[in-house]
Amino acid sequence: DTAVSQTPKYLVTQMGNDKSIKCEQNLGHDTMYWYKQDSKKFLKIMFSYNNKELIINETVPNRFSPKSPDKAHLNLHINSLELGDSAVYFCASSSSGTGDYTFGSGTRLTVV
Amino acid sequence: AQSVTQLGSHVSVSEGALVLLRCNYSSSVPPYLFWYVQYPNQGLQLLLKYTTGATLVKGINGFEAEFKKSETSFHLTKPSAHMSDAAEYFCAVTQTGYQKVTFGIGTKLQVIP
Repeated sequence: DTAVSQTPKYLVTQMGNDKSIKCEQNLGHDTMYWYKQDSKKFLKIMFSYNNKELIINETVPNRFSPKSPDKAHLNLHINSLELGDSAVYFCASSSSGTGDYTFGSGTRLTVV
Repeated sequence: AQSVTQLGSHVSVSEGALVLLRCNYSSSVPPYLFWYVQYPNQGLQLLLKYTTGATLVKGINGFEAEFKKSETSFHLTKPSAHMSDAAEYFCAVTQTGYQKVTFGIGTKLQVIP
């Protein structure tokens, strides 16, 4: 059983489209995250939810909207995709305050 | 505020040689420190962590790191490199009870046969 699973693994789409990425964890963790990894491998936190409550919301364009229907799921919806959105998006989870993240395998988003 | 600095974006070692990946941190309170490894086309995996207590921490795959408060460092070492160690390594820092982990820019380790 995969601990943190993301779908899809690859996403190729045209500029202006809207797309969603889904994440699910079966570890019983109470906190989930979205990170963006750019082409230089730099990891930047985007959002974090703790028990369905948004607790971290970094400076991210409002075209990005996270949703957490329950503490095991965290989705990311992106409107009006731009070329600069091309990156690998990682979902992660942890028990609050520990810093031990379990990462998903990533979603490689390519905007053409 | 918290940050980490990884010295050397690329490190090359020969198979069997010592691996040393450097990380310095900045934190206004006692930090929690981590090393993560990322293999190609995969997510990050926790190698080891320091929270409190013993300053020399051992992780998976023969890696270890030592927390040195006086030097604000948390360098990662492995006595003998293996080809399978070739990957990207990330140092990271957080604070107790703080949800946000800050990652360094990563160090790509190349192992030469």
